[in-house]
Amino acid sequence: GQQLNQSPQSMFIQEGEDVSMNCTSSSIFNTWLWYKQDPGEGPVLLIALYKAGELTSNGRLTAQFGITRKDSFLNISASIPSDVGIYFCAGQTSGTYKYIFGTGTRLKVLA
Amino acid sequence: NAGVMQNPRHLVRRRGQEARLRCSPMKGHSHVYWYRQLPEEGLKFMVYLQKENIIDESGMPKERFSAEFPKEGPSILRIQQVVRGDSAAYFCASSPSTVGDPGTFGSGTRLTVV
Repeated sequence: GQQLNQSPQSMFIQEGEDVSMNCTSSSIFNTWLWYKQDPGEGPVLLIALYKAGELTSNGRLTAQFGITRKDSFLNISASIPSDVGIYFCAGQTSGTYKYIFGTGTRLKVLA
Repeated sequence: NAGVMQNPRHLVRRRGQEARLRCSPMKGHSHVYWYRQLPEEGLKFMVYLQKENIIDESGMPKERFSAEFPKEGPSILRIQQVVRGDSAAYFCASSPSTVGDPGTFGSGTRLTVV
């Protein structure tokens, strides 16, 4: 079945540092999504990408849809303590309804 | 404008009992997705429903699990004869349209089977 490999699995960073995480797939996706999940809550959509090569920002967050359509990355600039959480990528293939989720990147920010 | 409402937030069931999880979509949303999340893992797709129709249930276990989204009322995910392995967080997401719209997630129901 389709799998999404997300890396790194976890990271500790200092407040103010930039963060980069990525997601790779064995399949071609036509949609890439990035979510953040806080403990005990559902995922919250951060950025949605619909075209290969698309680069989209949302405040301090920037995400790109890879040219090959098999990967995506998320960057967080100038991290702050409230960026702590689990970040998930999710992808959708053409003509299907379900999203395949990655295993998550656990981010911890040290003040 | 209320978000996606899931209840109960926490549910404890003994092995062999039935679990019913409810999801009320956002107003105007007629599409519902159910996902399961095991500890330390990502979300796994279970089923996609539109009002009164199951569109894609490729992620649902073949036995004991069923889902519905009636014309009136919330979507229900039903697990019969629960086993310990069913313990997980179950999330639903609702969306106003079809393919391409990621939907909005609820806060989930955490099922514990004892």
